[in-house]
Amino acid sequence: AQSVAQPEDQVNVAEGNPLTVKCTYSVSGNPYLFWYVQYPNRGLQFLLKYITGDNLVKGSYGFEAEFNKSQTSFHLKKPSALVSDSALYFCAVRDDNYGQNFVFGPGTRLSVLP
Amino acid sequence: SQTIHQWPATLVQPVGSPLSLECTVEGTSNPNLYWYRQAAGRGLQLLFYSVGIGQISSEVPQNLSASRPQDRQFILSSKKLLLSDSGFYLCAGGDRVTEAFFGQGTRLTVV
Repeated sequence: AQSVAQPEDQVNVAEGNPLTVKCTYSVSGNPYLFWYVQYPNRGLQFLLKYITGDNLVKGSYGFEAEFNKSQTSFHLKKPSALVSDSALYFCAVRDDNYGQNFVFGPGTRLSVLP
Repeated sequence: SQTIHQWPATLVQPVGSPLSLECTVEGTSNPNLYWYRQAAGRGLQLLFYSVGIGQISSEVPQNLSASRPQDRQFILSSKKLLLSDSGFYLCAGGDRVTEAFFGQGTRLTVV
């Protein structure tokens, strides 16, 4: 079965500092991995994905993520955080063996302090 | 690119009343479609998904049902709402490999 863990419920970082939001996953086949961001009372916005190829994936708004197969991780990173990055972040996985459904992590709330 | 249209944005309904939330998709054909519920601004619970017209899979037994009468239309319904049906409902669509795109959500309050 597929599963996603986001071990941190809340991440606080000062504006201008680098940020990392952690994600680990479990699938039986090859993973398709995604990051989404959600602002209050809004739908989820797609940030980036890993399907195949380079382990370092660059996405929207300066975010990037690194796929690590041995550690089954897909951590979201940004070199310099902005206050406007404060939001709820979701990691999601699809298993290429079961391709229809996404499994989402519980979400990590990021607060960037001015 | 794909766009998910979902309405209404907010809805207040009395207990025991029916519900119909509609979601339509632009920019793709034969998408996979999903209904999620999000409680208290946290995790997403998959309620239903559909891989084609008339094909609905239910992930969680509950007071809700879903239908897909057209390729790009996905409807979430209830005959009689319960207080516990309150939440933030999200429609999403996607292809077999790519990311899912989400609508803006419907905040349902059952009173």
